[in-house]
Amino acid sequence: DGGITQSPKYLFRKEGQNVTLSCEQNLNHDAMYWYRQDPGQGLRLIYYSQIVNDFQKGDIAEGYSVSREKKESFPLTVTSAQKNPTAFYLCASSTGTGGEGKLFFGSGTQLSVL
Amino acid sequence: RKEVEQDPGPFNVPEGATVAFNCTYSNSASQSFFWYRQDCRKEPKLLMSVYSSGNEDGRFTAQLNRASQYISLLIRDSKLSDSATYLCVVIPGGYQKVTFGTGTKLQVIP
Repeated sequence: DGGITQSPKYLFRKEGQNVTLSCEQNLNHDAMYWYRQDPGQGLRLIYYSQIVNDFQKGDIAEGYSVSREKKESFPLTVTSAQKNPTAFYLCASSTGTGGEGKLFFGSGTQLSVL
Repeated sequence: RKEVEQDPGPFNVPEGATVAFNCTYSNSASQSFFWYRQDCRKEPKLLMSVYSSGNEDGRFTAQLNRASQYISLLIRDSKLSDSATYLCVVIPGGYQKVTFGTGTKLQVIP
């Protein structure tokens, strides 16, 4: 079945450590997105990518980095510069064509700081 | 002004009630609009698209008002299973960033 897979489901980070969240899709979608959600809050855009080897900062990119070396993959690294990383992270993809950008989401990764 | 704004609620309504949510957006060039539903600690799932002419899917009706830059979602005959957070999504068109509203929490009470 086609879809988006995020891993791991739960991740723990120690102080000063970088961690990478995985996001893979087999929907042949061009556009991919990373969102952060804090308890009781909406989704805030971290980074997005419209095409391989290209990505743009969203509203809260500081302390995060991404890469888009393959169409199917858009990993997110939470760096030690992100001082408050505890949140629910959601990856999404869309065709992004002509505004018909319905988003398909992975099941999310809950990141917590030890 | 935020790009997309929603009343966070919570909206507590009895079963069978009709409830409406609004979502305002600031970018007049926005082209696509959607309502998503999110259950607690789960990923958002597409509820319905929003078209200028208005569209209906069972108990749910979505409308777009471009002049006033808002979209709305009407739920009739509320069910307990409708309890969730409803997120509006606004897309400028083509390959651009997708912005979510903060979400409106609905709690349907027996």
